[in-house]
Order: sequence, then C-alpha cells, then structure tokens
Amino acid sequence: GENVEQHPSTLSVQEGDSAVIKCTYSDSASNYFPWYKQELGKGPQLIIDIRSNVGEKKDQRIAVTLNKTAKHFSLHITETQPEDSAVYFCAARFGNEKLTFGTGTRLTIIP
Amino acid sequence: DAGVTQSPTHLIKTRGQQVTLRCSPKSGHDTVSWYQQALGQGPQFIFQYYEEEERQRGNFPDRFSGHQFPNYSSELNVNALLLGDSALYLCASSFSVAGAPKEQYFGPGTRLTVT
Repeated sequence: GENVEQHPSTLSVQEGDSAVIKCTYSDSASNYFPWYKQELGKGPQLIIDIRSNVGEKKDQRIAVTLNKTAKHFSLHITETQPEDSAVYFCAARFGNEKLTFGTGTRLTIIP
Repeated sequence: DAGVTQSPTHLIKTRGQQVTLRCSPKSGHDTVSWYQQALGQGPQFIFQYYEEEERQRGNFPDRFSGHQFPNYSSELNVNALLLGDSALYLCASSFSVAGAPKEQYFGPGTRLTVT
C-alpha cells in the first residue's frame, strides 16, 4: 500500500520568512496530493491540493510543487504570519482509493 | 452553508462498552470517510461510505463498523472498546464523480476517551 513520509516533524521560522515542508510517497500510481492545516482542537482544513498532471500550483502565499519522477511534493509558505502556526499534513491518493497521510509537521512562527 | 458536522464533541466510555459517533456531510456531498487520529499522529483511514455501502476499508478490526443513511449522513460504531481506541475520530465528506471522490473536507472530530 501507499506510504507517505513527511519532513521535518517540527519547523520554526521567523515571521515574514518562508517555510518549506517536504513529503515523499511510495506508490507511483498516486495522482492526487492534498495538504491540510490542523489547528489545536480542530479538524484538518484543506489548504491546497495538486494533481499529477501539473507540476506546481499557487494560491496567494501558499504553493505546492510535485516531482513525479522523484515521487516527492512540497508545501511552500511565503511571508509567514503568526496565524500560519499549526500542524500541517500532506497526503496522497490513487484514483478513488483512501487518502494516506504523512506524520505531520508542527510549524511555529516566531514573532 | 454548513460544513461537515460531527456529534458528540467529546465522549468518555469504559473499556468493553460500545459507542456510536455521528457525521453530517457538507451540503451536496455524497461520500463519507472516517479516520482515527491518535495524539501526535496523522489521520488513519477506517472506511468510506458511498451510496449507503462501505466502498473500501482500512486496516481496522471488525469491531469498527459503520452505516450511511439515504440523506448521506453516517455513523461510526465501535464495539468492545479498548484503551487504545482513545483518539480523535474524524469524518470527511466529498462528492464522487463517476465513482471517484473529489476533495475531502473534514469535520471538527469527536474526541473519544476510553477509561
């Protein structure tokens, strides 16, 4: 089955700097890669996703890149703000199969 | 437009008891997936319901069962509770096109504590 690895497990960045979180997946057939943000006491919130037919997608300060050959994808957050502090999860899926999640990255923005 | 809702918010049960958790999907969604999230871990897939049937299942024992109703809402039942069942249970909804689910949106979860 699919296996997703996520790094780093914790990340601290100064407010205004950029943050990058990386994930690798094992199943080359996976074709959908969402990112979720989870704040304390809440459910995961979908923030951006990418499908295997594109290499990059942007939404304001957030971008995701996908390298199908290397089987890895990354989340980039620019101009970080205190409200970006949360746990971020990557996930991967093939077709209508289940979502497989990474282990999460706790991002702390230092004012 | 209400998002995914779950009830109850918190629940405390004793080992050996049974529990039922409920989920109402986002308006327009027809597919419901259930996940278990242990503290400090990513969500683990339990099962998915579409057209009132279990479409696929993760690596969870038969103590975990579910149901989807005609209005697309869903229940998760866990029998013979173990201490290890303590976790946040998340429901995610999506709509399926040609049988394939699109983006999944999560509810706030039900925090289950087994003592």
